[in-house]
Amino acid sequence: NAGVTQTPKFQVLKTGQSMTLQCAQDMNHEYMSWYRQDPGMGLRLIHYSVGAGITDQGEVPNGYNVSRSTTEDFPLRLLSAAPSQTSVYFCASSLQGRDEQYFGPGTRLTVT
Amino acid sequence: GQQVMQIPQYQHVQEGEDFTTYCNSSTTLSNIQWYKQRPGGHPVFLIQLVKSGEVKKQKRLTFQFGEAKKNSSLHITATQTTDVGTYFCAGPRRGAGSYQLTFGKGTKLSVIP
Repeated sequence: NAGVTQTPKFQVLKTGQSMTLQCAQDMNHEYMSWYRQDPGMGLRLIHYSVGAGITDQGEVPNGYNVSRSTTEDFPLRLLSAAPSQTSVYFCASSLQGRDEQYFGPGTRLTVT
Repeated sequence: GQQVMQIPQYQHVQEGEDFTTYCNSSTTLSNIQWYKQRPGGHPVFLIQLVKSGEVKKQKRLTFQFGEAKKNSSLHITATQTTDVGTYFCAGPRRGAGSYQLTFGKGTKLSVIP
């Protein structure tokens, strides 16, 4: 099993550009989530999904969209990138929300 | 904002010394999880505690969940350079409609050889 995969690993955007961060898991996990990690701030939940077709907002959802058309994939879309969205983004999955989270390797995003 | 507070933010220890990080919540937690993130890496699950007063051990790591289920600690005995990283606690986010995890800000451990 590949576990949780994320692409790209690094990305540089200009302010106003849009892009999609990809996340996939092959463990048949129902629960998937996106976090951003900023220095000194820990991990903050952006959006999450409890199953295909179901998504909801986390702690810091503004400026991001998600969709969950399949169990395996959970892409994160930045609609109009801003410098405040410079961060490291982690996708995670678990069997159910309360279970241990498996994290992907992360995407380091810089917005100039 | 953050619902689980973690202290200290940084800890520098000599190799062989013990290390402890503490996690505190203002409300009762149904469970608490601990993760380790190596420099440049991603968080990796260590353990989940569910019961009041629970103590679990993993080799040199000892995890405790308080009697009131409002605090938790991770203690490492005789640190090694392989213990370097940031340790996070995480608990259910208060008031969330369905299950959401909220993470503490982490304790960054440096081990001086």
